[in-house]
Amino acid sequence: NAGVIQTPRHKVTGKGQEATLWCEPISGHSAVFWYRQTIVQGLEFLTYFRNQAPIDDSGMPKERFSAQMPNQSHSTLKIQSTQPQDSAVYLCASSLVSSQNTLYFGAGTRLSVL
Amino acid sequence: GDSVTQMQGQVTLSEDDFLFINCTYSTTWYPTLFWYVQYPGEGPQLLLKVTTANNKGISRGFEATYDKGTTSFHLQKASVQESDSAVYYCVLGGGADTNTGKLTFGDGTVLTVKP
Repeated sequence: NAGVIQTPRHKVTGKGQEATLWCEPISGHSAVFWYRQTIVQGLEFLTYFRNQAPIDDSGMPKERFSAQMPNQSHSTLKIQSTQPQDSAVYLCASSLVSSQNTLYFGAGTRLSVL
Repeated sequence: GDSVTQMQGQVTLSEDDFLFINCTYSTTWYPTLFWYVQYPGEGPQLLLKVTTANNKGISRGFEATYDKGTTSFHLQKASVQESDSAVYYCVLGGGADTNTGKLTFGDGTVLTVKP
């Protein structure tokens, strides 16, 4: 089992460009989560899918951020018109059902917006 | 909403010292409490999970319990090693957000163990 796979590990974009981050959850896990990690804010919940359906996106900035899960083997987080304040490590996690179960995190994608 | 407050931001110990980290939580539901540990360049990973107040979770020499009366949750280890150096997060789940899957993370405690 390779664990949760996130690509790319590092991404550098210019201000105003689009960034797409990819996540491959552990096979058989039905819940997929996205978190953002910064020094100032710590770990922040962004959004959550269960069986590919969006369940809770209360942590997503309403503009420019979107997440999708087109099939059970991958999810994407897209940031349009990136801004310097979007610079962070974006973490994807999967679990069997919900937050009651162990979350398995990927190593993250470090996004740097210049 | 749910919240978690970790008391210690940084802890520096020597090998074989005793470790004690605590946090407080707030929720209107029945909590499940976790300790996650994060090493440099990796995502957080589960260290311990405690679903019932006053029950003890044990893993890799670490112990954790939570007290419903004081809404506190602590992590301890009798004898730390240099390899235990990492960031430790107190995490609240199973609260009001049980069905949403959202975990609430504390700010983290940076543990440095000197040889």
